[in-house]
Amino acid sequence: RKEVEQDPGPFNVPEGATVAFNCTYSNSASQSFFWYRQDCRKEPKLLMSVYSSGNEDGRFTAQLNRASQYISLLIRDSKLSDSATYLCVVNAFNQAGTALIFGKGTTLSVSS
Amino acid sequence: ETGVTQTPRHLVMGMTNKKSLKCEQHLGHNAMYWYKQSAKKPLELMFVYNFKEQTENNSVPSRFSPECPNSSHLFLHLHTLQPEDSALYLCASSQERTGGEAFFGQGTRLTVV
Repeated sequence: RKEVEQDPGPFNVPEGATVAFNCTYSNSASQSFFWYRQDCRKEPKLLMSVYSSGNEDGRFTAQLNRASQYISLLIRDSKLSDSATYLCVVNAFNQAGTALIFGKGTTLSVSS
Repeated sequence: ETGVTQTPRHLVMGMTNKKSLKCEQHLGHNAMYWYKQSAKKPLELMFVYNFKEQTENNSVPSRFSPECPNSSHLFLHLHTLQPEDSALYLCASSQERTGGEAFFGQGTRLTVV
């Protein structure tokens, strides 16, 4: 099982649609979870952290299920500007310290 | 303005050249990372430094040599690279002990000719 696995893309949706991305991780010792957004030829930027209780930021909702080692991101009322690659990121602690492990990303394309 | 600065932004080098990529973070973090992102591929973790000590080296070829002189600076020394090493090289930093998110520099787009 890969360390961080994401839904294969691309997701092509019309404006106003609701879209959900899923992610699973293999290291049960993982402590921190994030969704990053990466625009074409740019660096990844933090979209939101993911908490056990779930968290919402405007149109974006992130959920974490530790028992299933599963993370999700829901985007409501999609905008053209939401078009990007969404990266699931897990911060795992081990004897060596910590490292951020990235999923391959899911590409979202929102059209008018 | 980003808290993580990388230079140069673009670099073209021949296979026999030696060059260095530089990363500087102004966020007071104690962990720094080098990632490689090739075209249409996911981010690959190359090196991790926690408290200036290298803690991870993901089987990166020896033609890539990292250096972390202090917690604010990170270098990636390059020598005798191959064309397949052409990629976007991203530096990131985080506060390791708190498991916080990482902040990325804008990257160096490297082309090996």
